[in-house]
Amino acid sequence: GQQLNQSPQSMFIQEGEDVSMNCTSSSIFNTWLWYKQDPGEGPVLLIALYKAGELTSNGRLTAQFGITRKDSFLNISASIPSDVGIYFCAGSFLAGTALIFGKGTTLSVSS
Amino acid sequence: DAGVIQSPRHEVTEMGQEVTLRCKPISGHNSLFWYRQTMMRGLELLIYFNNNVPIDDSGMPEDRFSAKMPNASFSTLKIQPSEPRDSAVYFCASGPGNTIYFGEGSWLTVV
Repeated sequence: GQQLNQSPQSMFIQEGEDVSMNCTSSSIFNTWLWYKQDPGEGPVLLIALYKAGELTSNGRLTAQFGITRKDSFLNISASIPSDVGIYFCAGSFLAGTALIFGKGTTLSVSS
Repeated sequence: DAGVIQSPRHEVTEMGQEVTLRCKPISGHNSLFWYRQTMMRGLELLIYFNNNVPIDDSGMPEDRFSAKMPNASFSTLKIQPSEPRDSAVYFCASGPGNTIYFGEGSWLTVV
């Protein structure tokens, strides 16, 4: 079946640092999404990407849909303590199919 | 605007009991998804509906699990009989297609 490899699995950074995480798929995807999950809550949509090469920002967050359509990355600039949480990538390879999720990147930020 | 509404938020039940989880999707969304989240397996798709019709139920673990969507504003996920290995967080999500928005989850513990 389709698989998403998300890395790194966890990150420990200092407040103010920039963060980068990425996902790769075994197949071409036509949609990439990035979510953040806080403890005890459901995943919250951060950024949605629909075209190869697309670069989209949401505040300090920037995500890109890879040219090969098999990868995507998420950058967080100038991290702050409230960035702590689990970040998930998700994608679908065919219109009308459900999203496949990566295993998540757990971000810890020390002040 | 109201988001995806799930109930109950927390449930503790004894092995063998029937469990019913409920979901009200965001009004106007034509796709509804049920996901299960565990530490070991991450976010797994159980089933998804499009226009109230089940499209893909290949993720439903076994016959003990069933899901219905009798109308555009309501869905249920039922487990009968429940087992301890069913303990997990169950998320409902809805979307206009597969850009989906999650509820806060139903935290199920089967003892």
